[in-house]
Amino acid sequence: NAGVTQTPKFRVLKTGQSMTLLCAQDMNHEYMYWYRQDPGMGLRLIHYSVGEGTTAKGEVPDGYNVSRLKKQNFLLGLESAAPSQTSVYFCASSYQVSGANVLTFGAGSRLTVL
Amino acid sequence: QKEVEQDPGPLSVPEGAIVSLNCTYSNSAFQYFMWYRQYSRKGPELLMYTYSSGNKEDGRFTAQVDKSSKYISLFIRDSQPSDSATYLCASDTTEDGNNRLAFGKGNQVVVIP
Repeated sequence: NAGVTQTPKFRVLKTGQSMTLLCAQDMNHEYMYWYRQDPGMGLRLIHYSVGEGTTAKGEVPDGYNVSRLKKQNFLLGLESAAPSQTSVYFCASSYQVSGANVLTFGAGSRLTVL
Repeated sequence: QKEVEQDPGPLSVPEGAIVSLNCTYSNSAFQYFMWYRQYSRKGPELLMYTYSSGNKEDGRFTAQVDKSSKYISLFIRDSQPSDSATYLCASDTTEDGNNRLAFGKGNQVVVIP
């Protein structure tokens, strides 16, 4: 059981380039999330999805787009990368345990924008 | 103001000491309170969660919630070097009917052998 898989694990971009981060989960979870984690800032929610075909903005959505065409996949796109988007990106999916929303995270994708 | 505040200062303790971590939250509607543990260069993983006020114990770990003061605590007894990690508190919040966790910034804990 792979859980949540993120690709790629590392990427270096030049300013203005575009890229897509892929998240795949095999747990049949409805909810999926993209977070970024920066030193001293903690986890900040970029976008999330409550089901196939749906997306919603989180805390820091500017400069990112997402798509959830299939239930198991959640894609995060950067159309024109900026140095401020240098970060570690985490994807997560969630399920309910006795009403609690429990997140399962991927291993992270480290992005550097030069 | 973030919905969940956690002083991100690092914490170093000798092996065997008690580790005490704290968070405060602002949303009175929060009902579930979680602690995630994140090892270096890994994704966070759920350590434990509690519902409403009270204590929950799991081995050497105890989570406490005081809803009257909006205070969340995690205690680690007999700390081990393997407990060295970043610990993030989180609370659930619902907007537009969707559940989304609010995370604190995390505390880096180092247990020195």
